[in-house]
Amino acid sequence: DTGVSQNPRHKITKRGQNVTFRCDPISEHNRLYWYRQTLGQGPEFLTYFQNEAQLEKSRLLSDRFSAERPKGSFSTLEIQRTEQGDSAMYLCASSLDLPGTPLYEQYFGPGTRLTVT
Amino acid sequence: AQKVTQAQTEISVVEKEDVTLDCVYETRDTTYYLFWYKQPPSGELVFLIRRNSFDEQNEISGRYSWNFQKSTSSFNFTITASQVVDSAVYFCALSSFGNEKLTFGTGTRLTIIP
Repeated sequence: DTGVSQNPRHKITKRGQNVTFRCDPISEHNRLYWYRQTLGQGPEFLTYFQNEAQLEKSRLLSDRFSAERPKGSFSTLEIQRTEQGDSAMYLCASSLDLPGTPLYEQYFGPGTRLTVT
Repeated sequence: AQKVTQAQTEISVVEKEDVTLDCVYETRDTTYYLFWYKQPPSGELVFLIRRNSFDEQNEISGRYSWNFQKSTSSFNFTITASQVVDSAVYFCALSSFGNEKLTFGTGTRLTIIP
């Protein structure tokens, strides 16, 4: 099975440290999304890529957050100078976008749970 | 701005009962998509269904059925003859044509009591 994978699954860090998460999408998918989910809430959109181009960033994505998708394959999400408010589940999803065809659904990975102490 | 409201925070039913999860949405777009996702205790969001705004036909898939009503901006989800494995948090979501980021509701936690 080649679903969306995310690493690490869990990360505990001290406030002020930098962390980086990785997402590997389904191989033929050209779109990749990042969402954040806090306890008791639905996922909130952070950013998305079409191939290697970052097309949209949410206002939730402060300047401490940066995402990349080099070569249009895997993606990384880095948080600098972590704060306790960054504690959440970070979800990655991918989908296939083909010109002239309807939107395809997003498939989600298992998430990376970040705890900032 | 888009918004999805799932007013039912938690629902508990006895196994084999039918249960309906409500979803009400707000959007100014004329073309949009609606989704339901399931999040079991393992945490991974599982896609259940996608609906286009121009297709109001109801859909049935096994024990699952969906009722889309544009007039009331609702997209409700019914599970028939519920099973313990249906216990999960269910999210309704919305996206616009041409901007595929998902706007999720706050979810409904469904517990099926054996």
